[in-house]
Amino acid sequence: QSALTQPPSASGSPGQSVTFSCTGTSSDVGGYNLVSWYQQHPGKVPKLIIYDVAKRPSGVPDRFSGSKSGNTASLTVSGLQAEDEADYYCASYGGDNTYVFGSGTKVTVL
Amino acid sequence: QLQLQESGPGLVKPSETLSLTCTVSGGSITGDPYFRGWIRQPPGKGLEYIGSLFYNGATYYNPSLKSRVTIYEDTSKNSFSLRLSSVTAADTAVYYCARYVRYSDRLDTWGQGTLVTVSS
Repeated sequence: QSALTQPPSASGSPGQSVTFSCTGTSSDVGGYNLVSWYQQHPGKVPKLIIYDVAKRPSGVPDRFSGSKSGNTASLTVSGLQAEDEADYYCASYGGDNTYVFGSGTKVTVL
Repeated sequence: QLQLQESGPGLVKPSETLSLTCTVSGGSITGDPYFRGWIRQPPGKGLEYIGSLFYNGATYYNPSLKSRVTIYEDTSKNSFSLRLSSVTAADTAVYYCARYVRYSDRLDTWGQGTLVTVSS
């Protein structure tokens, strides 16, 4: 059960969009539409921002969107704001009740 | 409003057993479609899923920790616990409990987390 692969960092200027990936295998990301994304500010608790690949929990701005193609899921943050600067983790169901996180991407707002 | 709160010793000696409890208030997470989960995060590192306690009492453990981990329901059904045996410095982490929603496989409610340091 290996961690899903994410780029260590991503960045963008305020108002721009940033997209980053989460790569797994056909046994996890590619096998199920059960990818979630979590946002974590420094010293804070992770917060669910996307589930089922592209659904947003109540209260999450529509600036956050998710997608998936094959074994790779992606998170896009549109209209970047200073408050979006955080670590982002993907996660996926992996069959047989397994659950695996990604390695995390640090988003910097320039 | 559903709340989860971890509690337990903040310092554990190497080779001993780490024990934490998650107390649930403001709602129930014991029936379908909810599982109860534990996650940890070493300082400066990423999240690692430790395991789940299912509504029928069955469990799932991360294979990398399986030989050392036990997750169980307390006699008070408002709480559940984690035990990790034979700890080393590599087990130093913030430990979170969370509600896992089956069918969409998401962790939608988290505790505040508790830092456990393994040191003599």
